[in-house]
Amino acid sequence: AQTVTQSQPEMSVQEAETVTLSCTYDTSESDYYLFWYKQPPSRQMILVIRQEAYKQQNATENRFSVNFQKAAKSFSLKISDSQLGDAAMYFCAYRSANFGNEKLTFGTGTRLTIIP
Amino acid sequence: NAGVTQTPKFRVLKTGQSMTLLCAQDMNHEYMYWYRQDPGMGLRLIHYSVGEGTTAKGEVPDGYNVSRLKKQNFLLGLESAAPSQTSVYFCASSYTGDSYNEQFFGPGTRLTVL
Repeated sequence: AQTVTQSQPEMSVQEAETVTLSCTYDTSESDYYLFWYKQPPSRQMILVIRQEAYKQQNATENRFSVNFQKAAKSFSLKISDSQLGDAAMYFCAYRSANFGNEKLTFGTGTRLTIIP
Repeated sequence: NAGVTQTPKFRVLKTGQSMTLLCAQDMNHEYMYWYRQDPGMGLRLIHYSVGEGTTAKGEVPDGYNVSRLKKQNFLLGLESAAPSQTSVYFCASSYTGDSYNEQFFGPGTRLTVL
């Protein structure tokens, strides 16, 4: 079974600075997808960014980018120019590419605080 | 489009009572999921469905039942609620056949079992 580990329960960053959230995973599969979800106080789960394991290029979405290290099974999220609206819980998630096994496995989350 | 909606948003039950949580999606998605979120444990999959009339167990299925009689609806039932089922419940849905298969989440239901 796959596992996802987020070793930082809490992180804080000054507004406009850059912060990196860590995520590692364990799998024996070669093809899979990785995601970062944001959960603000409203509880709504919002997809931030996703990465396909077969792509070597790191995904980027505006101020959000990932550092995907397949051999190390590491998938960190970098938030540049942090804004107050980035304050939330961030969850890393894994999904198999195998048909019939599309469920998400989540990490335990990192609570990000933005300091004005 | 309303996306994924959940009913109710909040509920308080006494031990032994039963209830059904309703999830509805208007995106014509094939796959639907029920998760529970507990402090310090992230989201864990309870049950899921890959199409109308089909259901399957997830990581933590005990004490729950589900039904997918209509493609747009996925019901989660608690036959005899226990305090250990106090949690926030999320429903999600996704397409099939799409390589990304992004899951879209509902707003959650906070359930307290006394």
